[in-house]
Amino acid sequence: ILNVEQSPQSLHVQEGDSTNFTCSFPSSNFYALHWYRWETAKSPEALFVMTLNGDEKKKGRISATLNTKEGYSYLYIKGSQPEDSATYLCALYNNNDMRFGAGTRLTVKP
Amino acid sequence: DVKVTQSSRYLVKRTGEKVFLECVQDMDHENMFWYRQDPGLGLRLIYFSYDVKMKEKGDIPEGYSVSREKKERFSLILESASTNQTSMYLCASRDGKRDPIVYGYTFGSGTRLTVV
Repeated sequence: ILNVEQSPQSLHVQEGDSTNFTCSFPSSNFYALHWYRWETAKSPEALFVMTLNGDEKKKGRISATLNTKEGYSYLYIKGSQPEDSATYLCALYNNNDMRFGAGTRLTVKP
Repeated sequence: DVKVTQSSRYLVKRTGEKVFLECVQDMDHENMFWYRQDPGLGLRLIYFSYDVKMKEKGDIPEGYSVSREKKERFSLILESASTNQTSMYLCASRDGKRDPIVYGYTFGSGTRLTVV
């Protein structure tokens, strides 16, 4: 079974701080890594799909990088805002199997 | 706006009851999935279906069954609810005609089930 690890499990930051968190996964047989954002009482929403080593994706203040050789992806949030508060999930897609990490729960205090 | 709709946001049931969790999608997706999420654990796959009338066990199918009589609806059934089935249940769908590497899931907003 593929093991996808996310750290930290939770994070509290002040509004305006920049922050980042990690998704680690087995580097063999890599196909794709998906990032989702899950706000309370809402559906998880797709943020990024990353497939190539060295990929960098950006959406507004949120960006992500991918290192398939060492098996990790970073998600960065620049200048965190209270509306960024959510659980951020990563999921490894490998040979028709999608494996999710436990998520990083981000709380941004005004 | 495409949607995956789960019938209940919160549900409280008694031990031993038969529980139905409903999920409907309006995107004509072939693939549908049921996950549960518990603190400190990733989403764990209970059952999935690649098309109507098809079903496959996921990682934790014990105590659950599913029904996919119509393409748009995927029901999760707890045959006899137990307290260890208290959890957040998430339904997801995916377009089976598109490359799964690039196209991920569309999720419902979840059903928080409490079994007392």
